[in-house]
Amino acid sequence: GENVEQHPSTLSVQEGDSAVIKCTYSDSASNYFPWYKQELGKRPQLIIDIRSNVGEKKDQRIAVTLNKTAKHFSLHITETQPEDSAVYFCAASPLRRALTFGSGTRLQVQP
Amino acid sequence: DTGVSQNPRHKITKRGQNVTFRCDPISEHNRLYWYRQTLGQGPEFLTYFQNEAQLEKSRLLSDRFSAERPKGSFSTLEIQRTEQGDSAMYLCASSSRTGTSGSNEQFFGPGTRLTVL
Repeated sequence: GENVEQHPSTLSVQEGDSAVIKCTYSDSASNYFPWYKQELGKRPQLIIDIRSNVGEKKDQRIAVTLNKTAKHFSLHITETQPEDSAVYFCAASPLRRALTFGSGTRLQVQP
Repeated sequence: DTGVSQNPRHKITKRGQNVTFRCDPISEHNRLYWYRQTLGQGPEFLTYFQNEAQLEKSRLLSDRFSAERPKGSFSTLEIQRTEQGDSAMYLCASSSRTGTSGSNEQFFGPGTRLTVL
């Protein structure tokens, strides 16, 4: 089955700096890679996703890159703001199958 | 609210009791997923349905767990003879074959927090 590893487990940045979270996956059949943000006590919410036929995707301050050969993908948040503080999860799956999540990164943006 | 809903939001039970949770997906979403999340961890897949058919079950889903989606709409997850290790947040998610990204965007419900004493 799929195995997703996520690093770092905690990340503290100053407001305005960039944050990068990295994930690796094991199953070459995976072709869908979403990122979820989860605030304390709340449900996971999709912030960006990428499919394997695309190497990079950007949405305002958030971007995701995918290296299918190396089986790794990354989340980049630029110009971080205090409201970006949350736990971020990467995930991977074959299309329309269940997601395998990473263990999460707790991002703290210091004002 | 047109999002995924789950009931109850919290459940406290004694070890050995049975519990049942309900998930109402987004209307017309044909896929429904159950995940379990423990503190500090990512959600772990339990099972998923396409319409009323249960297509996949995780190894995590012991024979004490059963899930149904009888009419292809809402789903129930039952845990029999609960154990303290079952304490977790149980999350439901739904997706549509033709989601906005055309792929597998899963929308999560608020979860049911189970505490087994």
